[in-house]
Amino acid sequence: DIVLTQSPGTLSLSPGERATLSCRASQTISSHLAWYQQKPGQAPRLLIYGASSRATGIPDRFSGSQSGTDFTLTISRVEAEDFAVYSCQQYTSSPITFGQGTRLETK
Amino acid sequence: QVQLQESGPGLVKPSQTLSLTCTVSGGSISSGGYYWTWIRQPAGKGLEWIGRIYTDGSTNYNPSLKSRVAISVDTSKNQFSLNLNSVTAADTAVYYCASRRNGGGFDYWGQGTLVTVSS
Repeated sequence: DIVLTQSPGTLSLSPGERATLSCRASQTISSHLAWYQQKPGQAPRLLIYGASSRATGIPDRFSGSQSGTDFTLTISRVEAEDFAVYSCQQYTSSPITFGQGTRLETK
Repeated sequence: QVQLQESGPGLVKPSQTLSLTCTVSGGSISSGGYYWTWIRQPAGKGLEWIGRIYTDGSTNYNPSLKSRVAISVDTSKNQFSLNLNSVTAADTAVYYCASRRNGGGFDYWGQGTLVTVSS
C-alpha cells in the first residue's frame, strides 16, 4: 500500500497567517493526490485534486503544489473558518489511502 | 447537484453482518464514469477506504477487508450498498458513502452514519 505521511500533526496559527501543510508519499503517485478539509461532525470536503487543481467553490486562498513525492497544501491567509483537520489522499493505485491528517488550530 | 445519504442500523452485534445503503439523488447512479465508494473513520482516527463499485458494476476492495466485504448496486432504486460480515469492535466507525470520477478526488459525500459493534 502507498503510505502518505502528513506533517506537522498539529499546526497552531493565528488568523491572517500563512499555513503550509505537507504530505509525503512512500512512492511515486504522479499527480494523483487530493486534499480534504474536515470539521467536527462533518464529512470531508474536497479542496484540491490532481495535486494543484481547486475543486468547485473552493476559495483561491487554498492552493496545492508538488515536488516529486512531496505535496503541499497552502492557505495563503488563514481565516477563522479554516481551522479544521486536513487530510491528503492518493488515487494512483489500489487501495486508495489517506494520510493521518494535520490539525490546524487557533494559536 | 448530486447528494448521497447513508442509511442502516446504528448498532450491530459482534460476528453479525453490517449492512448499509447509500441513496443517490440529483443524478443517476448509472451515469458513466463514477466510482461509488464506501469509506470509514473510527473515532479520532483517519479515513479508511473500504471499496468501490464502478458504473460498469466492477468492484474493488481494500485487501485488509476483502474477505469480509461486498458492495453492490441497485440501479432501479439509485442505491448502492455495503455488507461487512463477521464484524468486531474494531469495525466501529462512522461510515461514509462517497463518489468520485476517474482522475479526481471524492467530490460528493454522504453525511456519515455511526455504526457501533457491541453486544
